Amino acid sequence: QTVVTQEPSLTVSPGGTVTLTCTSNTGAVTSGYYPNWFQQKPGQAPRTLIYSTSNKHSWTPARFSGSLLGGKAALTLSGVQPEDEAEYYCLLYCGGAWVFGGGTKLTVL
Amino acid sequence: QLQLQESGPGLVKPSETLSLTCSVSGGSIITNSYYWGWIRQPPGKGLEWIGNINYSGSTYYNPSLESRVTISVDTSKNQFSLKLSSVTAADTAVYYCARHLAVAQSRSFDYWGQGTLVTVSA
Repeated sequence: QTVVTQEPSLTVSPGGTVTLTCTSNTGAVTSGYYPNWFQQKPGQAPRTLIYSTSNKHSWTPARFSGSLLGGKAALTLSGVQPEDEAEYYCLLYCGGAWVFGGGTKLTVL
Repeated sequence: QLQLQESGPGLVKPSETLSLTCSVSGGSIITNSYYWGWIRQPPGKGLEWIGNINYSGSTYYNPSLESRVTISVDTSKNQFSLKLSSVTAADTAVYYCARHLAVAQSRSFDYWGQGTLVTVSA
């Protein structure tokens, strides 16, 4: 069974930069895993930020970017804003099924 | 603007079948570029993908749920539906429907419903 792992929690200062990562127990994450990143705030539905590794939707703020780093999918926030405090989930396509990571709680402090 | 809306019973008894419908407005469900999916989230926990369907009825499911899940589509009503059988308390969750972009190298759950809480309890 595929397990997708994220950092449980991270803290960043306003204006700072932080990178969240997403790994698979099946091996290195590649573009073929079509990494997606979602932001979820309490009581709200998830909102897609990044799809297929690095593509942004029209609503994705410019400070969010996606990439592959050292066999992992990565979401980088540059110039963090207080409203970026949220839970972030990655999603990978693994062996014909979509698997979510456990989520990273990002605190802006 | 595309909108998705989940509907169905908020309370289901153990061992019974959970049934939800997702109504799509602001766009047609008949499109070659998209699948339509279900995702759930137990209270206080993470997200879990349940399965996807396209307008012609082609499906693929989470292997851990596949034996209990059926997703269907009704193009005349611009809706798709989820049935989950033999439910237990572990199936208590907020259930979301979403549109899934699937064209060329692009894969994205882009538009989501607001979610509906289903509680499994006697």
